[in-house]
Amino acid sequence: GAVVSQHPSWVICKSGTSVKIECRSLDFQATTMFWYRQFPKQSLMLMATSNEGSKATYEQGVEKDKFLINHASLTLSTLTVTSAHPEDSSFYICSARDLSDSRFSGNTIYFGEGSWLTVV
Amino acid sequence: GEDVEQSLFLSVREGDSSVINCTYTDSSSTYLYWYKQEPGAGLQLLTYIFSNMDMKQDQRLTVLLNKKDKHLSLRIADTQTGDSAIYFCAESPHGGSQGNLIFGKGTKLSVKP
Repeated sequence: GAVVSQHPSWVICKSGTSVKIECRSLDFQATTMFWYRQFPKQSLMLMATSNEGSKATYEQGVEKDKFLINHASLTLSTLTVTSAHPEDSSFYICSARDLSDSRFSGNTIYFGEGSWLTVV
Repeated sequence: GEDVEQSLFLSVREGDSSVINCTYTDSSSTYLYWYKQEPGAGLQLLTYIFSNMDMKQDQRLTVLLNKKDKHLSLRIADTQTGDSAIYFCAESPHGGSQGNLIFGKGTKLSVKP
């Protein structure tokens, strides 16, 4: 079945540095991918919608200059946390919709494994 | 606005049935989803239900949908210790046209041997 893969699974970085997280759809094309953030014991909150070939759409309260999103191909979206600070430490998870999955009328939404970011 | 509510905790004994409840607000949600998250892991799509269905059964999982009350439930039959995880209910706002989901806070299921 369709799989969405994220890399890295775990990353520790120093405060002030930038970190890039990749989200790949492995066996389907995704014109749209979604980035969520999950704080400990909290739900997933949508950060932004990544659109292939165009600018990402950010949710209210999410700094677009801090969380850079690039969706350069139909199978890859990247999230770069710039000038990371300890409060950016969180679980970041992406999702993609498999529009070709006829079983589900194109609404099969798969999530990556997630990426744990710790900023020290 | 859109909102999804779930109870936070559920504890059952191995072999019993588990029922996790969820309420949502967006009546235009086309699909409603249940995801499972094990500790330190991503989200696993468990099952889903289309909004014009009342019930869907998939092996040990039964999803019930009361669209009038905007109430969704997930029943796990013969619950096993491996079912211990956090279960998220999610709705697809705006008729699911965009692909993003609104999640509940998750229900932590603990299965005691």
